[in-house]
Amino acid sequence: EVQLVESGGGLVQPGRSLRLSCAASGFTFDDYSMHWVRQAPGKGLEWVSGISWNSGNLAYADSVKGRFTISRDNAKNSLYLQMNSLRAEDTALYYCAKDFEVRGPPDDNWFDPWGQGTLVTVSS
Amino acid sequence: EIVLTQSPATLSLSPGERATLSCRASQSVSSYLGWYQQKPGQAPRLLIYDASNRATGIPARFSGSGSGTDFTLTISSLEPEDFAVYYCQHRRHTFGQGTKLEIK
Repeated sequence: EVQLVESGGGLVQPGRSLRLSCAASGFTFDDYSMHWVRQAPGKGLEWVSGISWNSGNLAYADSVKGRFTISRDNAKNSLYLQMNSLRAEDTALYYCAKDFEVRGPPDDNWFDPWGQGTLVTVSS
Repeated sequence: EIVLTQSPATLSLSPGERATLSCRASQSVSSYLGWYQQKPGQAPRLLIYDASNRATGIPARFSGSGSGTDFTLTISSLEPEDFAVYYCQHRRHTFGQGTKLEIK
């Protein structure tokens, strides 16, 4: 069974940094692109970033480009999101999601499955 | 940028009834349209991909149709566990704003 477990969320002041992690199991991690998708409280879904299976291709939403950095460690079956210069509008539940297809591109695919998310609150 | 507009925002139906949810794209997306279900307190779950293909483990009462700019998710006979929020998504990651399917 595929499992994705996010961690690292919390309360952070505007302008500060936070690093999210996602521990993956139950599938061949280095065969799949991985993604971060967020959901602001009571709102809809927004794709944040994706990374190819070999870290060769990275993709970002315009709203986070230049502030967030996605990375992965295939030896540790882990996905990361380094979030810098955080803003109030970054407050959301951040989901880790597996790409639908083996070795699909990081900016063009479906998300299946998703983790349960980690909450990031940006507030002074 | 492609914009996806879902309608209605809220749909009130009873168990056993048929549900029809709509997603309209601002420009053609061919068949690159998917649907997700999100229940309260849970992560989204992929239901349909490439407009009409059911994801693994999704019951046959869920079906998707459409191409170009107009797409439909149909639930043939609502079960109590189907009441949730449904999102459409373009394959290049744009989401619609969601349709809440509630019990009448």
